[in-house]
Amino acid sequence: AQTVTQSQPEMSVQEAETVTLSCTYDTSESNYYLFWYKQPPSRQMILVIRQEAYKQQNATENRFSVNFQKAAKSFSLKISDSQLGDTAMYFCAFTWNNNAGNMLTFGGGTRLMVKP
Amino acid sequence: NAGVMQNPRHLVRRRGQEARLRCSPMKGHSHVYWYRQLPEEGLKFMVYLQKENIIDESGMPKERFSAEFPKEGPSILRIQQVVRGDSAAYFCASSPRVGDEQYFGPGTRLTVT
Repeated sequence: AQTVTQSQPEMSVQEAETVTLSCTYDTSESNYYLFWYKQPPSRQMILVIRQEAYKQQNATENRFSVNFQKAAKSFSLKISDSQLGDTAMYFCAFTWNNNAGNMLTFGGGTRLMVKP
Repeated sequence: NAGVMQNPRHLVRRRGQEARLRCSPMKGHSHVYWYRQLPEEGLKFMVYLQKENIIDESGMPKERFSAEFPKEGPSILRIQQVVRGDSAAYFCASSPRVGDEQYFGPGTRLTVT
């Protein structure tokens, strides 16, 4: 079974500073994908960034980047130049190539507060 | 291209009643996933459907819960004889093919009184 663990229930950061959210996972699969989703107070799930396990290069999307350490099964999210609109729950998620579907396994989430 | 639609957005039911949650996937998407989010928790997979077929229901409680995705119309998640523990946000997501990104709907918040 696949598991995803987010060890930081809550974090805060000052506006314009950088923050890193941690995520570890456990799997025996070799071909898989990792995601970070943002859930603001509206509850809409918004995909922030995606990483394919076979790619060595860390994914980047504007102010968001990941540190993917495959051997350590670690997938952290770095948010640079934090903005007030980044305040939200952040969920790390995992899926793998499975002909029976690509259901996502989510971590428990990290609540991020960006302070002015 | 409209996003994934879910209705109702909020649903209040008394214990013992039935709850019907609807999900219209994005146009061209034939794969639907349902997830449940209990308060202060992450989303948990419930069921995966393709048109007219349930592919994986390993995350669905064995009793009172059922899902369908008919040839025409939205996917339906049905909860019979609701109990307080069913209070949660229920999300559906759709994708065009296996392996593609899942696009989430806004969720239905079910409150059982």
